[in-house]
Amino acid sequence: DIQMTQSPSSLSASVGDRVTITCRASQDIRNDLGWYQQKPGKAPKRLIYVASSLQSGVPSRFSGSGSGTEFTLTISSLQPEDFATYYCLQHNTYPYTFGQGTKLEIK
Amino acid sequence: EVQLVESGGGLVQPGGSLRLSCAASGFTFSNYAMHWVRQAPGRGLEFVSAISNNGVSTYHTNSVKGRFTISRDNSKNTLYLQMGSLRAEDMAVYYCTRGGYRGSYDYWGQGTLVTVSS
Repeated sequence: DIQMTQSPSSLSASVGDRVTITCRASQDIRNDLGWYQQKPGKAPKRLIYVASSLQSGVPSRFSGSGSGTEFTLTISSLQPEDFATYYCLQHNTYPYTFGQGTKLEIK
Repeated sequence: EVQLVESGGGLVQPGGSLRLSCAASGFTFSNYAMHWVRQAPGRGLEFVSAISNNGVSTYHTNSVKGRFTISRDNSKNTLYLQMGSLRAEDMAVYYCTRGGYRGSYDYWGQGTLVTVSS
């Protein structure tokens, strides 16, 4: 199985900060990677697909980059509604695998 | 509007069975692969099972092989997950998801909770 190593596992930041979350794949997954935001009690919501394409309706402060084995999600200027848990997902090979998650908390 | 609505969750004893359903609407169901993803309480997301658009190909994660079966009825726009020999570690919220462009999950249901306890 492809392992997705996501870091950090938690992050404290302030409104207006720029934050970066990283996912590393244990083997080449091309750009078959998505980023998801999940708030408590809710289903995940896709932010980024195929590594760098912004999901329709998602604010442009979210961006993704990378290919192969290294990927990043960047939030350019944190807003109050961005405090949530973020996951990466590789959809290159079954079984699809998620990163462990990054809980983004208010400092 | 794409909608995925899961049902069938509930309390079941260890060793018991349960069938989850996911009713799809707002898109041509038979054009898309569909998946089940679960999330144990306080834990991360885990792929469970996948089925191709025509139902011919299926995939299950190792921990559920031989116990869970994914299926679909394209005439009813419904996805299923038959779960058997349930264990405490199967307790989770189960989400139905659509495999969109290159397989990425673009839509999710609201989830249904499966509780395994005596």
